[in-house]
Amino acid sequence: AQSVTQLGSHVSVSEGALVLLRCNYSSSVPPYLFWYVQYPNQGLQLLLKYTSAATLVKGINGFEAEFKKSETSFHLTKPSAHMSDAAEYFCAVSGTGTASKLTFGTGTRLQVML
Amino acid sequence: EAGVAQSPRYKIIEKRQSVAFWCNPISGHATLYWYQQILGQGPKLLIQFQNNGVVDDSQLPKDRFSAERLKGVDSTLKIQPAKLEDSAVYLCASSQAGTGGYEQYFGPGTRLTVT
Repeated sequence: AQSVTQLGSHVSVSEGALVLLRCNYSSSVPPYLFWYVQYPNQGLQLLLKYTSAATLVKGINGFEAEFKKSETSFHLTKPSAHMSDAAEYFCAVSGTGTASKLTFGTGTRLQVML
Repeated sequence: EAGVAQSPRYKIIEKRQSVAFWCNPISGHATLYWYQQILGQGPKLLIQFQNNGVVDDSQLPKDRFSAERLKGVDSTLKIQPAKLEDSAVYLCASSQAGTGGYEQYFGPGTRLTVT
């Protein structure tokens, strides 16, 4: 069975500071990994995904994530936080073939302070 | 391109009542998913359709939940009878293909409160 663990249910950073949201995965096969963002009262929006091409993945809004097989990690980073980044972030894993359902972590709420 | 549409956006019912949610996926998307998101948790898959066939319903509480996707387009999720623990946001998502790695596009969700 596949799973992801997000360390830290709440992360608070100052505007302009580095954002680091942690995600570790467990999968018996090479996984597909995703980061989604959810703003209040909205659905989820894809930030970026890893599908076994480049290990450093760049996404929207200046976010990027690095796939590290040795550490089973897929941490999300952004060099400089903006107030508009305040939201809930979910890491997710899916299998290959028809096992395409997303298995999500519990989420990390990012707060950005002035 | 229109996104995934869901209705209603909010619904309040009493326990033991029934409720239905509707989803219209992005045009041309063969795969449709229903997820349940309980407050403070990540979404959890309830059911996955490929066209009008069910691919995965292993997490669907079949004694009270049902879903259909007639004609392989729109989908309806029903709960009958509702329990307090069904209070959650129900998210519909669609994807071009049902294989892993394809982006899933999510609708705004339906927030259900069971009192």
